[in-house]
Amino acid sequence: GENVEQHPSTLSVQEGDSAVIKCTYSDSASNYFPWYKQELGKGPQLIIDIRSNVGEKKDQRIAVTLNKTAKHFSLHITETQPEDSAVYFCAASSQAGTALIFGKGTTLSVSS
Amino acid sequence: DGGITQSPKYLFRKEGQNVTLSCEQNLNHDAMYWYRQDPGQGLRLIYYSQIVNDFQKGDIAEGYSVSREKKESFPLTVTSAQKNPTAFYLCASSTRQLYGYTFGSGTRLTVV
Repeated sequence: GENVEQHPSTLSVQEGDSAVIKCTYSDSASNYFPWYKQELGKGPQLIIDIRSNVGEKKDQRIAVTLNKTAKHFSLHITETQPEDSAVYFCAASSQAGTALIFGKGTTLSVSS
Repeated sequence: DGGITQSPKYLFRKEGQNVTLSCEQNLNHDAMYWYRQDPGQGLRLIYYSQIVNDFQKGDIAEGYSVSREKKESFPLTVTSAQKNPTAFYLCASSTRQLYGYTFGSGTRLTVV
């Protein structure tokens, strides 16, 4: 089945710096790659997603890039702010396309 | 407003007891999912259902059971066979193509 690896597990940056989180997936048939942000004690919330027919997608300070050949995708956050501090999860569609398989998460800390 | 509701937010169970976690959505989504979250483990898929009266096991289904009698509802029962049930449980729903995957706010289950 699908396996998603996420790195790094923790990331600390200064306010205003950029942050990059990377994920790799195993199943070349996966075609949907969302990113979620989870604040303490809450459920994850979708922040951006990309489908396999697109190489890059941007939404204000957040961007996602996808390299299907290498089977990896990345989240880029520019001009980080303290409120960006949270746990971020990447995911990929399962082999059967019936559920999302998640990475183990990255704890991002933005200090002012 | 459309959304997905999990209840209760906190649940305490004695060893050897079964307990049922509630999940209701009014997003008109066909598919619903249960994930378990443990520190450093990410989100692991327990069960999912793409249509009413049908559901499939995920990666860690042992010790859990579900039902899908209505489109809006997907309750999860944690049975006494689950050896380590203390965790944060998340319910989600989506279209069948996995787009719009929306999470509830979670139930924290503690075995005492």
